Amino acid sequence: AQRVTQPEKLLSVFKGAPVELKCNYSYSGSPELFWYVQYSRQRLQLLLRHISRESIKGFTADLNKGETSFHLKKPFAQEEDSAMYYCALRGNQGGKLIFGQGTELSVKP
Amino acid sequence: DTEVTQTPKHLVMGMTNKKSLKCEQHMGHRAMYWYKQKAKKPPELMFVYSYEKLSINESVPSRFSPECPNSSLLNLHLHALQPEDSALYLCASSQDPGQGTNQPQHFGDGTRLSIL
Repeated sequence: AQRVTQPEKLLSVFKGAPVELKCNYSYSGSPELFWYVQYSRQRLQLLLRHISRESIKGFTADLNKGETSFHLKKPFAQEEDSAMYYCALRGNQGGKLIFGQGTELSVKP
Repeated sequence: DTEVTQTPKHLVMGMTNKKSLKCEQHMGHRAMYWYKQKAKKPPELMFVYSYEKLSINESVPSRFSPECPNSSLLNLHLHALQPEDSALYLCASSQDPGQGTNQPQHFGDGTRLSIL
């Protein structure tokens, strides 16, 4: 079965604290994984993809095939990071994206 | 142009109306998608067009009818919708629908649809 699990519906941290948004996946084969972010009233935007191994807005995500995880991390959260974050897996059916349920990140001052 | 453009931004319609949502991209992408999104929920895939042909229909009711006139345009025709169809409708595109390309999907702002 192809599935993405984001166990935390809501994550609340203080500004400057480290943040980790968890994502686990179930997929047979080589996964293609993405993190998308949706700020309030804005479009869904690509944040990271596992193949690029880059840091965007201070966020990084490492694919761990042994643990089937693709957690999103940032060492020092900022208030402007408050948003909904979705982990997504590209399935093997015509480019279909399988989304997790999303984690709402709230960064308090 | 690196955007997916959707019109209209908002739409209010009665259950007997017929309306259309439009989506346009000029990035040369060959796959286009329609999603439905409820508040604080992930997008739910409705349709996928690959090289202008319908490749995936996620068992969407026939009151939603997609159309891909050319590689840059995607329409969603609406007829006899129900109140539970009120949602944000998102269009997306990607360069290549094939597996193993790691191509992300680029999303539009969406059309916020309200059914009275």
